[in-house]
Amino acid sequence: NAGVTQTPKFQVLKTGQSMTLQCAQDMNHNSMYWYRQDPGMGLRLIYYSASEGTTDKGEVPNGYNVSRLNKREFSLRLESAAPSQTSVYFCASSETPLTDTQYFGPGTRLTVL
Amino acid sequence: LAKTTQPISMDSYEGQEVNITCSHNNIATNDYITWYQQFPSQGPRFIIQGYKTKVTNEVASLFIPADRKSSTLSLPRVSLSDTAVYYCLVGAFSGSARQLTFGSGTQLTVLP
Repeated sequence: NAGVTQTPKFQVLKTGQSMTLQCAQDMNHNSMYWYRQDPGMGLRLIYYSASEGTTDKGEVPNGYNVSRLNKREFSLRLESAAPSQTSVYFCASSETPLTDTQYFGPGTRLTVL
Repeated sequence: LAKTTQPISMDSYEGQEVNITCSHNNIATNDYITWYQQFPSQGPRFIIQGYKTKVTNEVASLFIPADRKSSTLSLPRVSLSDTAVYYCLVGAFSGSARQLTFGSGTQLTVLP
């Protein structure tokens, strides 16, 4: 089992460019999450998907969109990247959205110039 | 939204017990308390979760008082490899809204 995988590991964008961060899990989990972590800070929830076919905003959704492609995959899209979106992005999954242990991916380090 | 407060950093020596406290004054009835460990350049890793009283697993114990406004993660006999950032997470799924709040984290440094 690979657990939670994320691609790419690193990315540099120019302001205004778009990109999609990919996340996949092989644990048959129902819920998936996207977080961002700024230097020296805790994690902040961007979007989540409680189950296949549903997505909802978290604490900091502005500037992002998500797609729950199927039960395994949950992508995060930046339509027009801004320097303020420079961060490390973590994807996570859990079996259920309530009493859930979240399993995190290795992260994508994104720099927007 | 339940906010959490943790000490920014703590130092300890190998073999000692370490207690890290998280304050969450506005915790809601449905909220569970979860602790994660994070090493540099890695995603957080689950340590322990509880709702009330005491929970123990093979790596840690979690103490939650009756009012649930705080929780304490206890790591017995720490080693150098326990040096990491520890996060307290309070959250619940309520209807269609998911509220999750990670604390700012506590940098634990274990010294030889």
